[in-house]
Amino acid sequence: EVQLVESGGVVVQPGGSLRLSCAASGFTFDDYTMHWVRQAPGKGLEWVSLISWDGGSTYYADSVKGRFTISRDNSKNSLYLQMNSLRTEDTALYYCAKEKVGGYMDVWGKGTTVTVSS
Amino acid sequence: DIQLTQSPSFLSASVGDRVTITCRASQGISSYLAWYQQKPGKAPKLLIYAASTLQSGVPSRFSGSGSGTEFTLTISSLQPEDFATYYCQQLNSYPRTFGGGTKVEIK
Repeated sequence: EVQLVESGGVVVQPGGSLRLSCAASGFTFDDYTMHWVRQAPGKGLEWVSLISWDGGSTYYADSVKGRFTISRDNSKNSLYLQMNSLRTEDTALYYCAKEKVGGYMDVWGKGTTVTVSS
Repeated sequence: DIQLTQSPSFLSASVGDRVTITCRASQGISSYLAWYQQKPGKAPKLLIYAASTLQSGVPSRFSGSGSGTEFTLTISSLQPEDFATYYCQQLNSYPRTFGGGTKVEIK
């Protein structure tokens, strides 16, 4: 079964740092581009970041550029999101998602919750 | 950045109704558009990609159309399990923006 499981979400103070992880199983992880997407409480979806299959290309939303870093370890079938200089507006449920051929996100995890609050 | 505007943001409909949701892009995106369905407390689910291609396993009552700047998602006969929020997303350029969502509720 194709599965993505996020972890690492906690309550953190503004200005703090956090690393999210996403464990992949059931597919050949290093064949696929991966994404992070977030959803603030009661709000819509916001695309956050993307990393190519080999880690050679990364892209970010303007709202997180310079503060968040996406990475992957293909030997561990894992995706990561390093989040620095956190702001209250980063409070959200963070999903990782697998990209199918063509760029569309066809498999999603259940998400991990990040709360930025003093 | 490309902005996607969905309309309506909310609609109330009955089982069996034909429902149409529109997504307008601030600039042309060819057919690089997806539609997702999200139910409360659940992750989004890919319904339509490349503007009009049905994702495997998605019921045929869902269809998508459009290209350039205007797109539609149609549910031909609304079923109880279709009450959810629907989002469009463009893949033409970065950042990969989503529309604001359309919540479909039971009348």
